[in-house]
Amino acid sequence: DIQMTQTPSSMPASLGERVTISCRASQGISNYLNWYQQKPDGTIKPLIYYTSNLQSGVPSRFSGSGSGTDYSLTISSLEPEDFAMYYCQQYDSSPPTFGGGTKLELK
Amino acid sequence: EVQLQESGPGLVKPSQSLSLTCSVTGYSITSNYWGWIRKFPGNKMEWMGYISYSGSTSYNPSLKSRISITRDTSKNQFFLQLNSVTTEDTATYYCARWGEEGSFDYWGQGVMVTVSS
Repeated sequence: DIQMTQTPSSMPASLGERVTISCRASQGISNYLNWYQQKPDGTIKPLIYYTSNLQSGVPSRFSGSGSGTDYSLTISSLEPEDFAMYYCQQYDSSPPTFGGGTKLELK
Repeated sequence: EVQLQESGPGLVKPSQSLSLTCSVTGYSITSNYWGWIRKFPGNKMEWMGYISYSGSTSYNPSLKSRISITRDTSKNQFFLQLNSVTTEDTATYYCARWGEEGSFDYWGQGVMVTVSS
């Protein structure tokens, strides 16, 4: 299985701050990388697919980039509703696997 | 709008089977792929398997001997059965649709299942 390593595991940040979450795959995944947001109530929302494509309805302050083994999710200016858990997920090979998650917390 | 809703017992005894239902509205399960994903305490997430639009299945090798995913197209539901559960199977279980763009684009709200005697 492809291992996905997400860093940091937690990140204190302030409203309006620009933050970046990283995700590293144990082997190249050809941009087959998605990002998800999980809210404290447990609901999961898709954010980005195929490295850099925003899902419908996702604000433009979210962006994704990367290639090969290294990928990132950037939020350009944190809003109150952005404090949540974030997960990357690869689908280059089966089984699809997830990163360990990053908890974005209010500083 | 596509909506998914998990249901099933919140408590299962060790060595028994865990059975969950995902009820889908707003979209037919005879299209796309439909999966089960679980999130463990401590935040690790694991893809368990899927059932396709045609009824074919694929499972995570880590679960292959214990898992079964089936469906009832007349009720637009699909099901998870996990046999011989242990406390390690305690998790929140989600059902989700795999969209055409290549991601889990619709999720249920999740159901917490505890394995305990």
